[in-house]
Amino acid sequence: DIQMTQSPASLSASLGETVTIECRASEDIYNGLAWYQQKPGKSPQLLIYNANSLHTGVPSRFSGSGSGTQYSLKINSLQSEDVASYFCQQYYNWTFGGGTKLELK
Amino acid sequence: EVQLVESGGGLVQPGRSLKLSCAASGFTFSNYYMAWVRQAPTKGLEWVASITNSGGSTYYRDSVKGRFTISRDNAKSTLYLQMDSLRSEDTATYYCTREGWERGYFDYWGQGVMVTVSS
Repeated sequence: DIQMTQSPASLSASLGETVTIECRASEDIYNGLAWYQQKPGKSPQLLIYNANSLHTGVPSRFSGSGSGTQYSLKINSLQSEDVASYFCQQYYNWTFGGGTKLELK
Repeated sequence: EVQLVESGGGLVQPGRSLKLSCAASGFTFSNYYMAWVRQAPTKGLEWVASITNSGGSTYYRDSVKGRFTISRDNAKSTLYLQMDSLRSEDTATYYCTREGWERGYFDYWGQGVMVTVSS
């Protein structure tokens, strides 16, 4: 089975800062990767699919990139409403990364 | 507006059964694959089971194979998860999700329903 390693597990950043979260797959997943945001007490919401496609209604400060086994989620100009946990997920056996908890510094 | 509303959760003893339902609206249910994803308290996300749009094929994670059954009623726009022989490690919030049109990812999620397995 394909394993997903997400880093960092937690992250503290300031308003307006740019944040990057990484996900590494144990083998090539050919851009079959999605990113989700989960705010405290809420259900997850899709941000990015196919590694770099923005889901409907998601602010353009979110972007995804990568290929092969290495992928990243970037948040430009961090806003207070971005405080959340973020998860990557690969398509082949629907495995999620361990998550990144993003807090404000 | 896509809506997924789960029901049927609760407290159940180990070894007993529970059936979750998910009422879908705002899209043509019979066109989409659907899935259940769970999240144990303070833990990460874990895919549980998926079903094709017709219901003809189903897929399960190893730890629930033979105990859980995913099904759907396209006439009622409803997804189900029958959970038998429940274990303490099945304790989690269960989310009903719609698989995106290009498949592989989950583009809409329900609010979740809590299942607690405890004596």
